[in-house]
Amino acid sequence: GNSVTQMEGPVTLSEEAFLTINCTYTATGYPSLFWYVQYPGEGLQLLLKATKADDKGSNKGFEATYRKETTSFHLEKGSVQVSDSAVYFCALSVDTGGFKTIFGAGTRLFVKA
Amino acid sequence: DTGVSQDPRHKITKRGQNVTFRCDPISEHNRLYWYRQTLGQGPEFLTYFQNEAQLEKSRLLSDRFSAERPKGSFSTLEIQRTEQGDSAMYLCASSQDRFNTGELFFGEGSRLTVL
Repeated sequence: GNSVTQMEGPVTLSEEAFLTINCTYTATGYPSLFWYVQYPGEGLQLLLKATKADDKGSNKGFEATYRKETTSFHLEKGSVQVSDSAVYFCALSVDTGGFKTIFGAGTRLFVKA
Repeated sequence: DTGVSQDPRHKITKRGQNVTFRCDPISEHNRLYWYRQTLGQGPEFLTYFQNEAQLEKSRLLSDRFSAERPKGSFSTLEIQRTEQGDSAMYLCASSQDRFNTGELFFGEGSRLTVL
């Protein structure tokens, strides 16, 4: 079946530190991969995506590369800010006639000033 | 703002009562999804529609749950005879299959508390 595993949180970093949140997946077919973010009090929103192997998604200084050989899609940012404090969800979507999206459990990030 | 809207945002009910949630998707989106999210977990797929057709329903979903999208626009999710275990955030999302990427646009959710 299709599933997503991401590193457990919370992750606590100081401002300007380097961030990595690990994500691995299992999937039948050729999934698209996503990172969604949920800021406090807000709904989930797409952070970045990659639709095929070796694609790199990027947005707001965050990056993730679709690695088919390691079935991974790790999220990275070179210098985090307090405003990046949120819950980050790795997700995959496979077209089974409807693009059902499967989410990981989420990783909470706290960034200290 | 023409994003996904959900109503009500919060619902407190007593065990055994029925509740209904409404979702209005982005107007040009033909796919609509319902997810459930509990504390500390990622969204769990419940069901989805393409236009008015319900194409998939989670095998884990109790028969007490039913969803409709009668005219291919807004959708309702009804929970009958609520149980305390139904307490969760119910999320609605929509997408446009024309772009074929699977990207979802979420509403802010409807939080259900069953006493």
